[in-house]
Amino acid sequence: SQQGEEDPQALSIQEGENATMNCSYKTSINNLQWYRQNSGRGLVHLILIRSNEREKHSGRLRVTLDTSKKSSSLLITASRAADTASYFCATDFYNNNDMRFGAGTRLTVKP
Amino acid sequence: NAGVMQNPRHLVRRRGQEARLRCSPMKGHSHVYWYRQLPEEGLKFMVYLQKENIIDESGMPKERFSAEFPKEGPSILRIQQVVRGDSAAYFCASSPSEGIYANEKLFFGSGTQLSVL
Repeated sequence: SQQGEEDPQALSIQEGENATMNCSYKTSINNLQWYRQNSGRGLVHLILIRSNEREKHSGRLRVTLDTSKKSSSLLITASRAADTASYFCATDFYNNNDMRFGAGTRLTVKP
Repeated sequence: NAGVMQNPRHLVRRRGQEARLRCSPMKGHSHVYWYRQLPEEGLKFMVYLQKENIIDESGMPKERFSAEFPKEGPSILRIQQVVRGDSAAYFCASSPSEGIYANEKLFFGSGTQLSVL
């Protein structure tokens, strides 16, 4: 079964704006990860946040984790057209290194 | 260090034939995952393997599908007697067995697009 659920399913913004995507999950986790997928390609790891962390930054990416609400958000600041892709959250299913993905958010950044 | 290698990139089969998808993990990675993706959808977990062991195959149909990761050689996802509904992109990922992201961070291959005629 799937574990994470991303929201929204699709997001369209102008270049320079910020993009926020959310992920909710069901079970306890050790970590939550965000991945990016360009059309027709494999997924690329963006950032990992552990269950004892609340916020993490990597370049223009900011990830938050709220384990009490079982949710995470991914913020991309000052978006660029090249950020256009699908973004997926993944969690380790029942803490056993068994990674499960949500359905993803399709982000379109218009130049 | 080459990335995760999947082949073939595209595979065309007729209904009833067998499909064999190969995945060579990154060097030093002993964990392999197989996922299936339909157009405009997310990744659906199929199976998680370590060398010579199936850890979790709960996402894989019990009939016609099998997976292995032998001591030597690539991981193989095998689909027997393919049907049109098997048409999808199949992605393999591997994770390192040592280091800060041991058994956590996934490195993906470029996928195999299976088309069943």
